[in-house]
Amino acid sequence: DAGVIQSPRHEVTEMGQEVTLRCKPISGHDYLFWYRQTMMRGLELLIYFNNNVPIDDSGMPEDRFSAKMPNASFSTLKIQPSEPRDSAVYFCASSSLGAGELFFGEGSRLTVL
Amino acid sequence: EDQVTQSPEALRLQEGESSSLNCSYTVSGLRGLFWYRQDPGKGPEFLFTLYSAGEEKEKERLKATLTKKESFLHITAPKPEDSATYLCAVQAQDTGRRALTFGSGTRLQVQP
Repeated sequence: DAGVIQSPRHEVTEMGQEVTLRCKPISGHDYLFWYRQTMMRGLELLIYFNNNVPIDDSGMPEDRFSAKMPNASFSTLKIQPSEPRDSAVYFCASSSLGAGELFFGEGSRLTVL
Repeated sequence: EDQVTQSPEALRLQEGESSSLNCSYTVSGLRGLFWYRQDPGKGPEFLFTLYSAGEEKEKERLKATLTKKESFLHITAPKPEDSATYLCAVQAQDTGRRALTFGSGTRLQVQP
């Protein structure tokens, strides 16, 4: 398996623009997680899905953030409108049966100017 | 609220100089404690799972141990390739809480 695949790897955008991050989890995994990593706050959970259904979105900062998982092989995280404080590395991870062994993608580094 | 605190924030060792990293945690019912390694520009990579106090796991130069309040990652005779950030995380027993709560990590540098 190719592992968890994220795109884009790097995104530079201007404040107010819409940003869409994409994730393809490992085939057969039923849990998908979106985390955000910054120097100040470390790795923070944004949202996670089980069998494509959002379970916990309490970490989503505000209404500007939304996430979808239309099928078992694809998820998106959208920020609209983006702000400079959204600059971070966004990680997608997947796991099987709720296990704590998460498989992370390489991340999407977002810079909002 | 689950909390994970790691110390030290950064650690510099000479090659062959053994040491330990600490992870203190607070969780309402521990399902598992996890150690991950993260290299610069990469996502975290799973190392170990510990489920109960007294449990130990080993992998090459690394050994993880668990008590009721903390976990240690012991590094024996480290090599430069062990340089990375080591992250500790906990998962609660509650079936509605499958996400991991991570600590801020210990940045390890091993000098030749």
